[in-house]
Amino acid sequence: EDQVTQSPEALRLQEGESSSLNCSYTVSGLRGLFWYRQDPGKGPEFLFTLYSAGEEKEKERLKATLTKKESFLHITAPKPEDSATYLCAVQAGAGANNLFFGTGTRLTVIP
Amino acid sequence: EAGVVQSPRYKIIEKKQPVAFWCNPISGHNTLYWYRQNLGQGPELLIRYENEEAVDDSQLPKDRFSAERLKGVDSTLKIQPAELGDSAVYLCASSTRGGSYNEQFFGPGTRLTVL
Repeated sequence: EDQVTQSPEALRLQEGESSSLNCSYTVSGLRGLFWYRQDPGKGPEFLFTLYSAGEEKEKERLKATLTKKESFLHITAPKPEDSATYLCAVQAGAGANNLFFGTGTRLTVIP
Repeated sequence: EAGVVQSPRYKIIEKKQPVAFWCNPISGHNTLYWYRQNLGQGPELLIRYENEEAVDDSQLPKDRFSAERLKGVDSTLKIQPAELGDSAVYLCASSTRGGSYNEQFFGPGTRLTVL
């Protein structure tokens, strides 16, 4: 059975304190791994897509990496505006076009 | 470019009442998705449309839920009758194609509360 597990469930950081969020997956035939950011009362906002192990992508203070079993979202010197829930999702299986989401990590950055 | 539009943003109804949600996707996006997101959970797919055809509705509770996408643009998701457990945020998303490497754009969602 396909599974996506995110950890930790919640994370509190001081402004400037770098850290990483984890997304581990057990799927058959990964076609893509997606990271989204979701602010309260809003829909998820696309951040990155990773397709193969070893791939890395960066955007401002965020960097996403992918291995054969997990993905990390590294946050460097976070700011309060980075506070949000970060969702990981996978597309997997032959002919599968749908996203299967994890439960998210709720990040709070304290000034 | 306008994003995915959903209405209403909030809806409060009593159980056994009907309710409908509307979604207008990004212009030119032929793939449309409806998701349900429970509190503290990730979104779960209910139905996916390629143009006007529902190509994946395996997770849609068909005894009470229905959806349509006339003319392959706007879509409506209906619940009749609503149950207490249907309280959730209903998200609509769209993408340019339903292939492997598409990016989905989400609307703000409709928060449904069933009393």
